[in-house]
Amino acid sequence: DGGITQSPKYLFRKEGQNVTLSCEQNLNHDAMYWYRQDPGQGLRLIYYSQIVNDFQKGDIAEGYSVSREKKESFPLTVTSAQKNPTAFYLCASIAGNTIYFGEGSWLTVV
Amino acid sequence: KQEVTQIPAALSVPEGENLVLNCSFTDSAIYNLQWFRQDPGKGLTSLLLIQSSQREQTSGRLNASLDKSSGRSTLYIAASQPGDSATYLCAVMGYSTLTFGKGTMLLVSP
Repeated sequence: DGGITQSPKYLFRKEGQNVTLSCEQNLNHDAMYWYRQDPGQGLRLIYYSQIVNDFQKGDIAEGYSVSREKKESFPLTVTSAQKNPTAFYLCASIAGNTIYFGEGSWLTVV
Repeated sequence: KQEVTQIPAALSVPEGENLVLNCSFTDSAIYNLQWFRQDPGKGLTSLLLIQSSQREQTSGRLNASLDKSSGRSTLYIAASQPGDSATYLCAVMGYSTLTFGKGTMLLVSP
């Protein structure tokens, strides 16, 4: 079945470390997105990519980096520059008017 | 910059009640508006999508309306059930991004 796979589901990061969250889709969608969700809050856009080898900053890109070397993959790196990274991260892809979400990744700083 | 506001932030009702969730947005230049459901610790499930040219959409006990000129949408849930308990998110699709509200947390008690 087609869909979006995020991994890992749960991740713990020590302060000062970079970590990478994986997002893979087999829907053949051009556009992919990363959102961050804090408890009791809506989703805030980190980065998005509308085509391979191109991506744009969203509203809260500081401390994050992405790459889009393949159509099906859009990994998100949470760098040590992100001072408050503990959150729920959601990856999504859009085709036309339809948006598909992954199941999310929980990142906790320890 | 598009801003999306949802009222109320939380709602608790007894089973069987009809209820209305509200969503407002600041920029009426949208392609569509979507309502999502999110269960705790999970990704998002699309409930209803209303194109900018449409006034409403219905699915089962759910009815969503859109008044683009006034920047408002409502989600009506008929005969609420405990299984409806979740967070409901409203999102508007602009040129390249999807902007979310903070959500309404709904609790339906038996």
